[in-house]
Amino acid sequence: EPEVTQTPSHQVTQMGQEVILRCVPISNHLYFYWYRQILGQKVEFLVSFYNNEISEKSEIFDDQFSVERPDGSNFTLKIRSTKLEDSAMYFCASSVLATKLNEQFFGPGTRLTVL
Amino acid sequence: GDSVTQMEGPVTLSEEAFLTINCTYTATGYPSLFWYVQYPGEGLQLLLKATKADDKGSNKGFEATYRKETTSFHLEKGSVQVSDSAVYFCALSDGTDKLIFGTGTRLQVFP
Repeated sequence: EPEVTQTPSHQVTQMGQEVILRCVPISNHLYFYWYRQILGQKVEFLVSFYNNEISEKSEIFDDQFSVERPDGSNFTLKIRSTKLEDSAMYFCASSVLATKLNEQFFGPGTRLTVL
Repeated sequence: GDSVTQMEGPVTLSEEAFLTINCTYTATGYPSLFWYVQYPGEGLQLLLKATKADDKGSNKGFEATYRKETTSFHLEKGSVQVSDSAVYFCALSDGTDKLIFGTGTRLQVFP
């Protein structure tokens, strides 16, 4: 069964460093998403991406964040200068469509620890 | 804005016990409602969904009914197994791109 994959599973970085989190969505999906979950808090939407453009973004997704689909398979989230409060589990998801009826398929997550 | 509230965990049960995990929502429109499950080391998987009032979603013995009058979507299972141990997330979609999640409820089932 096709699945969303994410690498690395755990990333440790120093405050102020840049990190890139990688995701491979399901191959025939057209919509891509990033969510994050700070420990003990809700899973929060960050951004959605369609047709090589950001479709929607949350208030969390400020200028420090960017997303890219550099080739036909990868979808990346870059944090330019990490802060302590960026420590969280980051989930990538993809879907065929972007309607409220449509299932989003999630990856296993990348745990980011900022020291 | 729209939001989802779930009961806090962990919920600890013996095998074959009855499970209820409460979920209530706040939404201005007519959202779709979802339960996702996350097993250890894996991603969130869709467990069941309901797209309109009074719909019942069901899968793997789990059920949840979309109750508009009480704005609830409680997850139930009549007889849990050890293999059901996981984190359960209630979520809604209001028709925009994003899912809005609750905090998740950890279920631990002991033999």
